Amino acid sequence: DGGITQSPKYLFRKEGQNVTLSCEQNLNHDAMYWYRQDPGQGLRLIYYSQIVNDFQKGDIAEGYSVSREKKESFPLTVTSAQKNPTAFYLCASSIVGAANTEAFFGQGTRLTVV
Amino acid sequence: DAKTTQPPSMDCAEGRAANLPCNHSTISGNEYVYWYRQIHSQGPQYIIHGLKNNETNEMASLIITEDRKSSTLILPHATLRDTAVYYCIVRLRSARQLTFGSGTQLTVLP
Repeated sequence: DGGITQSPKYLFRKEGQNVTLSCEQNLNHDAMYWYRQDPGQGLRLIYYSQIVNDFQKGDIAEGYSVSREKKESFPLTVTSAQKNPTAFYLCASSIVGAANTEAFFGQGTRLTVV
Repeated sequence: DAKTTQPPSMDCAEGRAANLPCNHSTISGNEYVYWYRQIHSQGPQYIIHGLKNNETNEMASLIITEDRKSSTLILPHATLRDTAVYYCIVRLRSARQLTFGSGTQLTVLP
């Protein structure tokens, strides 16, 4: 089955700790994205990557970091510098350079920082 | 990316057609209109997209006005499982980003 997998589904961390969220896809997509969603709000773009070893900041990149060492993987690290990290995090992937193809989303990771 | 405007919420009776509007008055010629939906606490799901012509698939129909400044997503026979937040997005040809707005919360009532 082709798809995009996020793990874990739920994650709890203590304040001040860094935490890494996993995102893996086997769709052979070049582009991958990370979004944050707060209760009752839309999705906000954190980072995106169009090719291995390259990524760009989105609208709310402060306090987050990413890497793209493999085409299939785009992990997101929520650092201690992120002031309000508790949120629902969504990863997506798509084909690059074609506006007429859809993006595929994972099922999300709900991060709670206590 | 062109901005979109959607009503924050709508209700629809089960079995009736749900018509969800979207305004994208600043859309440019090479931008596609996409619709996604998000059922509570899940990842968004692609529904349909179009450029100029009306489109239909097994899930929905997309009607785009001739001037492309607005569109309507139609769910022909809404069911309770169609209750979700529906997002209208316009997507640049370069497809570097996907920008989501606040969407429309559709509630299908029994």
